[in-house]
Amino acid sequence: TQLLEQSPQFLSIQEGENLTVYCNSSSVFSSLQWYRQEPGEGPVLLVTVVTGGEVKKLKRLTFQFGDARKDSSLHITAAQPGDTGLYLCAGEGSGGGADGLTFGKGTHLIIQP
Amino acid sequence: KAGVTQTPRYLIKTRGQQVTLSCSPISGHRSVSWYQQTPGQGLQFLFEYFSETQRNKGNFPGRFSGRQFSNSRSEMNVSTLELGDSALYLCASSLAGVGEQYFGPGTRLTVT
Repeated sequence: TQLLEQSPQFLSIQEGENLTVYCNSSSVFSSLQWYRQEPGEGPVLLVTVVTGGEVKKLKRLTFQFGDARKDSSLHITAAQPGDTGLYLCAGEGSGGGADGLTFGKGTHLIIQP
Repeated sequence: KAGVTQTPRYLIKTRGQQVTLSCSPISGHRSVSWYQQTPGQGLQFLFEYFSETQRNKGNFPGRFSGRQFSNSRSEMNVSTLELGDSALYLCASSLAGVGEQYFGPGTRLTVT
């Protein structure tokens, strides 16, 4: 069974600060995705990373896939209240999706104005 | 394009009853996956359907079943409901496989 551990579980910071969220596993994933979920809604896809060492930027968000494709990080620069939400990482295993996506339990992020 | 839609959005059932949830994927998407989300366990994969066939299945009891129709719409059924089945049930669609998933808003099921 593939597991994804996310840290921290909860994070509350002030507007304008920077933060990093981590997603770690002992398993190799063929791809890794990051989602953001707001209360009462389904997760919304932010980015997919596929290649080990890959870095993708989405405005103030920077996503990195580990060289060994076992871990990933999400860095937010100058956080804003609109960034508040549950951030989820999800990995697609090398078995062609036989186990669906494996999700981490998420990081609850609160950005205080 | 319209997003993934799920009905109903909220549901309250009693232990022992059964329930059917519905999902309409994004037009053109042939893969539909179902997930259960709870505070304790997070999102857990239930099953995936592609072209009316169940292609993948998670580790859930046989009380959880689903089907997909020729128009790619999908339904999920839970029989003999238990208190522990209370959760947000999410449906996600994708073009062809598990890959990048587009989620609906979910159905909040409460079992009393």
